[in-house]
Amino acid sequence: QSALTQPASVSGSPGQSITISCTGTSSDVGGYNYVSWYQQHPGKAPKLMIYDVSNRPSGVSNRFSGSKSGNTASLTISGLQAEDEADYYCSSYTSSSTLYVVFGGGTKLTVL
Amino acid sequence: QLQLQESGPGLVKPSETLSLTCTVSGGSISSSSYYWGWIRQPPGKGLEWIGSIYYSGSTYYNPSLKSRVTISVDTSKNQFSLKLSSVTAADTAVYYCARQVAAAQFDWGQGTLVTVSS
Repeated sequence: QSALTQPASVSGSPGQSITISCTGTSSDVGGYNYVSWYQQHPGKAPKLMIYDVSNRPSGVSNRFSGSKSGNTASLTISGLQAEDEADYYCSSYTSSSTLYVVFGGGTKLTVL
Repeated sequence: QLQLQESGPGLVKPSETLSLTCTVSGGSISSSSYYWGWIRQPPGKGLEWIGSIYYSGSTYYNPSLKSRVTISVDTSKNQFSLKLSSVTAADTAVYYCARQVAAAQFDWGQGTLVTVSS
């Protein structure tokens, strides 16, 4: 069982917006602004899409945005495109141990 | 441009030790700005952080794997390595090495599949 809870799957039609949630505790998501989101296409390595809750690395589309409220972080993808279909993982620093990183179980995004 | 390349056996026998090396190019492993980590992903499953190391040799491990894991660094070769002892089929996974920019922020290698089987 993953330390962070994500929905197993979400779906949306091209052009729509979707949101993926990532729920943790006050020891990880709720306690620190160190939440990242990764996109993973089949057979590929994960790609960083959001870091420190809401920051986008250079080169990542502004259709991707991140936020946090309490113990739940969220990734929103607007203007959904076919190439957004992938698995998405959240991760967070946790104070449960020294420099311990936890991941969510992953969410499969299907573009209908 | 930073590149990370994992190398090592793709098949390991049960009870033996899994050994992988990550070669870093396009950047120095001795940079004081980064940690260097290992993350794995069993087939069809999610990601699991294994541990991280600083260029000085300070290490941090996932408590669930700590008793079996050793991560080391060789700054002269710009490499860091993973050893996982007493492996079982449950350790079959794609193993990624990564540069850890911040607590939960990684730049990833391409990954290498390690199968545990006799």
